[in-house]
Amino acid sequence: NAGVTQTPKFRILKIGQSMTLQCTQDMNHNYMYWYRQDPGMGLKLIYYSVGAGITDKGEVPNGYNVSRSTTEDFPLRLELAAPSQTSVYFCASSDRQGGKLFFGSGTQLSVL
Amino acid sequence: GESVGLHLPTLSVQEGDNSIINCAYSNSASDYFIWYKQESGKGPQFIIDIRSNMDKRQGQRVTVLLNKTVKHLSLQIAATQPGDSAVYFCAETPGTYKYIFGTGTRLKVLA
Repeated sequence: NAGVTQTPKFRILKIGQSMTLQCTQDMNHNYMYWYRQDPGMGLKLIYYSVGAGITDKGEVPNGYNVSRSTTEDFPLRLELAAPSQTSVYFCASSDRQGGKLFFGSGTQLSVL
Repeated sequence: GESVGLHLPTLSVQEGDNSIINCAYSNSASDYFIWYKQESGKGPQFIIDIRSNMDKRQGQRVTVLLNKTVKHLSLQIAATQPGDSAVYFCAETPGTYKYIFGTGTRLKVLA
């Protein structure tokens, strides 16, 4: 099994550009999460989903959007990139609420 | 919270020695705890977990200890190897979607 797969691994955006960070998992997990990781800070939850068609905001959702049309995929959309969105983004999944989280390898995003 | 940051506390140990990494958790309602290992440029990798109805759990070369009285979690790595060099952080959850992540400790293994 591949687990949680994220693409791209690296990306540089100009201010105001948009992009989608892709995340897919092959473990048939209902719960999926997007986190950002900033230096000196813990992982912060951006959005999460408890199943296909259901998404909800986390701690830091501003500037982001998500969709969950299938169990496998949970893309994260940045509409108008800002320097404050420079970070490392991780997608994670779990088979139940409050269960073991499996992480992807991350996307390092720089907004210049 | 945890991060692969520039100013994380660092633990340096000699190869072959045991390592102990500590974590203070914040939520008394947390009932599930996880230790992750994160190597540079990679995603967090699951090491070991423990539920609040246990005080100790052992894996291969790793042991997690939970002290609910003082809200403290520790990760012990036996016979530390160069491949153990990484950032280690803990996570806690009260069984909801919400996880709280520790700030992390950088482990350096000296040859």
